[in-house]
Amino acid sequence: GAVVSQHPSWVICKSGTSVKIECRSLDFQATTMFWYRQFPKQSLMLMATSNEGSKATYEQGVEKDKFLINHASLTLSTLTVTSAHPEDSSFYICSVTRGQTGTEAFFGQGTRLTVV
Amino acid sequence: DAKTTQPNSMESNEEEPVHLPCNHSTISGTDYIHWYRQLPSQGPEYVIHGLTSNVNNRMASLAIAEDRKSSTLILHRATLRDAAVYYCILRWGPSGNTPLVFGKGTRLSVIA
Repeated sequence: GAVVSQHPSWVICKSGTSVKIECRSLDFQATTMFWYRQFPKQSLMLMATSNEGSKATYEQGVEKDKFLINHASLTLSTLTVTSAHPEDSSFYICSVTRGQTGTEAFFGQGTRLTVV
Repeated sequence: DAKTTQPNSMESNEEEPVHLPCNHSTISGTDYIHWYRQLPSQGPEYVIHGLTSNVNNRMASLAIAEDRKSSTLILHRATLRDAAVYYCILRWGPSGNTPLVFGKGTRLSVIA
């Protein structure tokens, strides 16, 4: 069964509004989760590392005030795209790992965001 | 992160084996070799990973060169459902909390 649940699968919003995407670890507690963004025909780009109980770490070029990450529990991280614009339209994907040496990563099914 | 190099695309006939190559000449001793695939409009899916020895699971086999500078993902009988982008990624082993850094991957087409 699924290890990671991401919700919603798709969302359409108006320009200027905010959208929240949830990522749940179903199988184990995850102190760290990762958020990626993928534009059409491109590979996944790491946006940020979400740490339970502390501030997220953002990759260079990713605006922390625009992409708010909250990791309030060991099984839930949320990504809020604030004041969304059409250029934020993308496929957003979260990932979790068990945190053990040499183990694999698990990914959510992704959220297709379209800003109109 | 150490880099990997993969062909942009490959094509296979259905029910034939597929060998997907990956070069990683700058791999370090603690880097694990991971393979993931991404079907259209879905998140990536774990396929297999290994450190030094060849690995087999229900999805695929991973053949790792003796010097670890290259590896090959082997799909024993390609099906139409195997059409996806396959990513070869090096992941630093000692920390289980490092993110995966994706390259461009290989787009596999399977012909019926």
